[in-house]
Amino acid sequence: GQSLEQPSEVTAVEGAIVQINCTYQTSGFYGLSWYQQHDGGAPTFLSYNALDGLEETGRFSSFLSRSDSYGYLLLQELQMKDSASYFCAVSDQAGTALIFGKGTTLSVSS
Amino acid sequence: NAGVTQTPKFQVLKTGQSMTLQCAQDMNHEYMSWYRQDPGMGLRLIHYSVGAGITDQGEVPNGYNVSRSTTEDFPLRLLSAAPSQTSVYFCASSYSEPSVGGELFFGEGSRLTVL
Repeated sequence: GQSLEQPSEVTAVEGAIVQINCTYQTSGFYGLSWYQQHDGGAPTFLSYNALDGLEETGRFSSFLSRSDSYGYLLLQELQMKDSASYFCAVSDQAGTALIFGKGTTLSVSS
Repeated sequence: NAGVTQTPKFQVLKTGQSMTLQCAQDMNHEYMSWYRQDPGMGLRLIHYSVGAGITDQGEVPNGYNVSRSTTEDFPLRLLSAAPSQTSVYFCASSYSEPSVGGELFFGEGSRLTVL
């Protein structure tokens, strides 16, 4: 089966940089996705990495190392609105559904 | 476009009652799925569908049924509600397979309490 590990909580201050790590064990790997969820609302898609390396989208970047079964989400120039839960996810063995980690709660303070 | 619409937003049930959580999407997405979210447990996959007439079990399917008679609708049925099913339920859909990075679009959630 698929399993993912990520820290439960991370704290940082405005303007700082924070990295949220994710390690995974899968039966078949296609790629690593990241989602953001504010205050129990609808999760929203942030990024997807299928190949090794860094993908940058504005203040957010996502990294994948397939050989290490590891990825991370990098948030730069943190803002208060970045306080949220962040989930890494991989597809199931058939590639037809997404399995999520337990999530990391990021708290940004001023 | 309304996106993914879930009803009801809130529901209180008594143990043993049955009910259906509705999910509808207007984006012509083939892939739909149901998740439950409990504190500290993340999003756990209950059931999913890759198209009309095709459903499969996820990580935590016990106590739930689904069907997919149309592309648009994917209802989740609780057969005999138990307090352990108290949770927030999210429906999601995507145009392409998660294996190719298909972005999931989520509904706003249905908050269920079983007494």
